[in-house]
Amino acid sequence: GESVGLHLPTLSVQEGDNSIINCAYSNSASDYFIWYKQESGKGPQFIIDIRSNMDKRQGQRVTVLLNKTVKHLSLQIAATQPGDSAVYFCAENMSGANNDMRFGAGTRLTVKP
Amino acid sequence: DSGVTQTPKHLITATGQRVTLRCSPRSGDLSVYWYQQSLDQGLQFLIQYYNGEERAKGNILERFSAQQFPDLHSELNLSSLELGDSALYFCASSVGVSGGAYNEQFFGPGTRLTVL
Repeated sequence: GESVGLHLPTLSVQEGDNSIINCAYSNSASDYFIWYKQESGKGPQFIIDIRSNMDKRQGQRVTVLLNKTVKHLSLQIAATQPGDSAVYFCAENMSGANNDMRFGAGTRLTVKP
Repeated sequence: DSGVTQTPKHLITATGQRVTLRCSPRSGDLSVYWYQQSLDQGLQFLIQYYNGEERAKGNILERFSAQQFPDLHSELNLSSLELGDSALYFCASSVGVSGGAYNEQFFGPGTRLTVL
C-alpha cells in the first residue's frame, strides 16, 4: 500500500492495551473537531467528532477529549486491535464557515499482536 | 467504500507536463474538496467547490486549477509539474457547504502522482 508520512510521530502498543493519541490544534475560533483514520492505500475515514461545547464524547471503543484551554484533543482507543493500526489525524474547522478542514500532522499507530 | 471515486489511481509523468485528476462525489453530495498529501506536509486543503461554484481556497498553487461540472464531478488540473508536486491527491465530498457537524466529508481513495 501507499506510505503516508514516513516521518510521523509513532505510537506502538500491545494488542488489548488502550491507546491515547494526542493532537494540538491551532485556531482558537475552531468549534468542531474530527478524528480520521487512514489505513495504508486508502483515504482518511471519519472516526468520531466533537463540538466545542463538549469536552468528552464516546463512540464504540473510542473516546475523544477536548481541552479548549490549551487547544488540545486526544483520541482514546480501548482494547486496541491489529485492525486499528493506521495513521490518525485530527482536523478542525468552524461551523458556519466554509468547510475547509485543517489537519494535524498525524500519528502512526502500530499494534503488536 | 466511501462512495467517492477518483481516477486514475496512479499517474506517472515528467516535469513540465500537465495532468488532470478526476473525482466523482457521493450521490447527493454537492460539495467537493481537494487535498494534497505529501510526506513532509501532511494533508493540505487545496480548494472547495459547492454546486459548481468555488467556495474556499487553501494552499493551492497558481499552476493548479479545479472546476466542478453540472453533473457535480470535479477535476483538478495540475500544470508545469515539478518534482515537488509528487504526492497523494484526495478528493472528498459532503452534502452541504459549511463546516461543523452534519456535514461530514467523505474521502475518496486518492490519486498517487509521481513526477519524474
